[in-house]
Amino acid sequence: DQQVKQNSPSLSVQEGRISILNCDYTNSMFDYFLWYKKYPAEGPTFLISISSIKDKNEDGRFTVFLNKSAKHLSLHIVPSQPGDSAVYFCAASATGGFKTIFGAGTRLFVKA
Amino acid sequence: DTEVTQTPKHLVMGMTNKKSLKCEQHMGHRAMYWYKQKAKKPPELMFVYSYEKLSINESVPSRFSPECPNSSLLNLHLHALQPEDSALYLCASSQRTGTGGSNEQFFGPGTRLTVL
Repeated sequence: DQQVKQNSPSLSVQEGRISILNCDYTNSMFDYFLWYKKYPAEGPTFLISISSIKDKNEDGRFTVFLNKSAKHLSLHIVPSQPGDSAVYFCAASATGGFKTIFGAGTRLFVKA
Repeated sequence: DTEVTQTPKHLVMGMTNKKSLKCEQHMGHRAMYWYKQKAKKPPELMFVYSYEKLSINESVPSRFSPECPNSSLLNLHLHALQPEDSALYLCASSQRTGTGGSNEQFFGPGTRLTVL
């Protein structure tokens, strides 16, 4: 049973446009959500996170939106750059716990 | 220093071999993790150490044996592995403690393991 789902295996976007990556979760106990970026032959790198007490968190070109009622979050990248081409993992955890559950990932291609 | 290092980068071993994977961090993090990642799949949690004590074992077969000699080091001892154990093994650390702390995990580059 996938508790964190990223239903789009891949996404292709033109440089300068917005990239929107989506993530859904099923476990109501999750209250902290993270996005990681992964390049080939490297470990995942933390990108941005959001607590369930917020509905938006912004860091430069990256914004994460959380819709708790829909159990949905999204990562917006504006403007997209070729260097953003990577696999993006959505992840979720519960307060006080060590477990982080990862989604299957979305491969983003940003075309120059 | 926000780096997690892992050695070796690549490892090829036979099913009767004994080998170890090593992980090191100097960020003062008290939680350390082992993940297994198969191609085109998400990282799957194997073990969590908190303050050098095993906190979580996700029903991992005994042919994988973790060890945390001190707060900076994490080992994964491998013995009698199967070909299906071939994967990328990722180590991570975080500030998370049993009562709180950031859940942001810092990952190493991984060890690409091939079992013949």
